Amino acid sequence: DAGVIQSPRHEVTEMGQEVTLRCKPISGHDYLFWYRQTMMRGLELLIYFNNNVPIDDSGMPEDRFSAKMPNASFSTLKIQPSEPRDSAVYFCASSQSPRNNSPLHFGNGTRLTVT
Amino acid sequence: AQKITQTQPGMFVQEKEAVTLDCTYDTSDQSYGLFWYKQPSSGEMIFLIYQGSYDEQNATEGRYSLNFQKARKSANLVISASQLGDSAMYFCAMREASSGGYNKLIFGAGTRLAVHP
Repeated sequence: DAGVIQSPRHEVTEMGQEVTLRCKPISGHDYLFWYRQTMMRGLELLIYFNNNVPIDDSGMPEDRFSAKMPNASFSTLKIQPSEPRDSAVYFCASSQSPRNNSPLHFGNGTRLTVT
Repeated sequence: AQKITQTQPGMFVQEKEAVTLDCTYDTSDQSYGLFWYKQPSSGEMIFLIYQGSYDEQNATEGRYSLNFQKARKSANLVISASQLGDSAMYFCAMREASSGGYNKLIFGAGTRLAVHP
């Protein structure tokens, strides 16, 4: 089975530009998560979806960040306008129902550099 | 307060030896799950092992085992017969049922393991 697929793997952009990160979860997984990883803050949960509906976006740093899940097989995380402090690795992960012990399955991440 | 604490920023071990990576957690829930992930230098997050709070036996997966001490709220990862390929960052994570059972994982800061030949 294909795992979680993220694109692009690397993104370099200038401050002020819009950045869109993409994710395709594992088929049949009802939950989708966006995490951000930095040296200073570690792995932070930004937002997660259940059945395409955003459940908890309390980790989204500010209004410049937005996430959508238009269907069960696709999600985007958008930063507009981007700032140098947004530089990080962004992970998408998916999971089955929480009523079992299924772990989160992570994509390979997108390394974002904002100059 | 930190939910997940990994007190060892870095560890090293000789190849073929066993190593224990520490993890303590903080929760008032009775039902929760504990996970360990490996992140090699290539960056991906690889799920290693899971322990449920009601599981009576320690979880094992190949060379990985979880030393679960519920009263002490610790869930240490034991890697037996270390291999060079085990060199990576290791993250402990917890899911609490009180978070609505919505499968939110909270991660520790990680431990960097170096396996020496």
